[in-house]
Amino acid sequence: KNQVEQSPQSLIILEGKNCTLQCNYTVSPFSNLRWYKQDTGRGPVSLTIMTFSENTKSNGRYTATLDADTKQSSLHITASQLSDSASYICVVSSVNTDKLIFGTGTRLQVFP
Amino acid sequence: ETGVTQSPTHLIKTRGQQVTLRCSSQSGHNTVSWYQQALGQGPQFIFQYYREEENGRGNFPPRFSGLQFPNYSSELNVNALELDDSALYLCASSSLGGYTFGSGTRLTVV
Repeated sequence: KNQVEQSPQSLIILEGKNCTLQCNYTVSPFSNLRWYKQDTGRGPVSLTIMTFSENTKSNGRYTATLDADTKQSSLHITASQLSDSASYICVVSSVNTDKLIFGTGTRLQVFP
Repeated sequence: ETGVTQSPTHLIKTRGQQVTLRCSSQSGHNTVSWYQQALGQGPQFIFQYYREEENGRGNFPPRFSGLQFPNYSSELNVNALELDDSALYLCASSSLGGYTFGSGTRLTVV
């Protein structure tokens, strides 16, 4: 069964600190993996998208890594800001379908 | 280039009623997908429309139905609303794998 699991479920950090969010997936055959940021009550906004051949991609203070062999990805946030408080969702799609398979997300709270 | 617009932003309905949610797709996108996101959960796939035809459906009952129009905008209809239908409903338009999400419609069933 195609699944995407994320950890931790929630995370609290102080402003200025770094953090890393994890994503494990069992989707096969793999097409691409995306990280989205979702503010409460809003639609997800794309941060990064990586295909099988890419193992790292950055978007400002956000850096995503992908290990297609172990089927793991991480999202590293550097020098966190209060505006980083949101849910971060890992989404994987399969070669066979255009459908997205969502993880349940990590809820990040950044405090001053 | 316009993004994805959903309407209304918030809606309150009573159990047993029917509701229609609307979504305009991003310019150049011919595919629209609908998702239901319960509080604290990841979005669950409802169905997808490609060029006015349903192109895949998730594990949702037939009372969830949809339409796509020639301009690629879309509607999600839910009949006989149940309390558990309370959620954020997201629409995403796509083309060649590039997805853009709307801000969602928050539906509350009382």
